[in-house]
Amino acid sequence: EAGVVQSPRYKIIEKKQPVAFWCNPISGHNTLYWYRQNLGQGPELLIRYENEEAVDDSQLPKDRFSAERLKGVDSTLKIQPAELGDSAVYLCASSPRDTVSGTDTQYFGPGTRLTVL
Amino acid sequence: AQSVSQHNHHVILSEAASLELGCNYSYGGTVNLFWYVQYPGQHLQLLLKYFSGDPLVKGIKGFEAEFIKSKFSFNLRKPSVQWSDTAEYFCAVTASGGYNKLIFGAGTRLAVHP
Repeated sequence: EAGVVQSPRYKIIEKKQPVAFWCNPISGHNTLYWYRQNLGQGPELLIRYENEEAVDDSQLPKDRFSAERLKGVDSTLKIQPAELGDSAVYLCASSPRDTVSGTDTQYFGPGTRLTVL
Repeated sequence: AQSVSQHNHHVILSEAASLELGCNYSYGGTVNLFWYVQYPGQHLQLLLKYFSGDPLVKGIKGFEAEFIKSKFSFNLRKPSVQWSDTAEYFCAVTASGGYNKLIFGAGTRLAVHP
């Protein structure tokens, strides 16, 4: 089974430039998550999608970040304009619904390491 | 608000030594608990999880964790580590029942020397 795919793996940009990250979840997973992982910390949720609907975007800095998940499969996370503090690893995860317990186990992609100069 | 505390940021062991990584969470209700591992250059992988039932959970590669509700703890253990266990380990918690955000600890970086 193919895992969560993300691209690019690395991105270096200058501040004030735009940047976009792409994610393809595991086939059949309806729930998709974007996380940001700062150096020395654990991942922090930015946004969660159920199919094409963003059901939890409370942690997404909406002044510069946006995300979409057209057709409920692939997703794109955008930053415009990027700031120095946005340097981090951006992780995408997806999950099925655990029908036994009703809970989700999340499967993570390799992440995109963003460096803003 | 929920939070997760991992006591050790860096752990260095020799091969065959026993491992215990601490994880404590703050939340008064019922929780689901996870340990994820990130090997060098690889993505986060699920090591083991606890949803309900037996509080001693066995995961992949000989790892196990014990949920102690009275101590709000979910410590990870392995009786004999190998060089290939060198990785970063993350404890995570979510409140059970419906959807709840997964909260991660800051991680513990383990280095195992031959």
